[in-house]
Amino acid sequence: ETGVTQSPTHLIKTRGQQVTLRCSSQSGHNTVSWYQQALGQGPQFIFQYYREEENGRGNFPPRFSGLQFPNYSSELNVNALELDDSALYLCASSFPTGSNTEAFFGQGTRLTVV
Amino acid sequence: AQRVTQPEKLLSVFKGAPVELKCNYSYSGSPELFWYVQYSRQRLQLLLRHISRESIKGFTADLNKGETSFHLKKPFAQEEDSAMYYCALKGAGSYQLTFGKGTKLSVIP
Repeated sequence: ETGVTQSPTHLIKTRGQQVTLRCSSQSGHNTVSWYQQALGQGPQFIFQYYREEENGRGNFPPRFSGLQFPNYSSELNVNALELDDSALYLCASSFPTGSNTEAFFGQGTRLTVV
Repeated sequence: AQRVTQPEKLLSVFKGAPVELKCNYSYSGSPELFWYVQYSRQRLQLLLRHISRESIKGFTADLNKGETSFHLKKPFAQEEDSAMYYCALKGAGSYQLTFGKGTKLSVIP
């Protein structure tokens, strides 16, 4: 069984550019969530995908978008990057069954916007 | 709106001393509460959840609905407990986790 993997681990982008972050979910997991963790803060929910459909979204603007593929891997796209987008982006996968909704996190992608 | 508050940014205790990491929440219904832990250079991982009512690595947490709290406790701290601890809430019918800002626990040898 493989865990959640994210790529790249680090990324530097210029303000105004676009970025794509990738996540491979844990084997057998059909749900992927993305979180933004700014320095000194807890992770903040961006959105969640279940079976290729977005089924939950946090308080983030539309320039944050995502995709989930048939193999349940996922992408987070951010357009028109701003300096405040600099953060650690975490992906978490799960296979919700009844009361078991444990989310397994990846190691994160550190995005720096200059 | 749901919110999780961890009032302590940093908590330092001596090895063998009791530990209590505070967590208060705001939620109008019946939430599900979790503690996540991040050890140095490792990914965020689930420590325990209130519905399991279990003890993991000597840690326990009891949900107090009257005080809207979910404090994490351990009677005798160990050096390997040093880590960042996050309290998180999941609302009914939702998979979204709302995290607190975290408390860094430092256990002094």
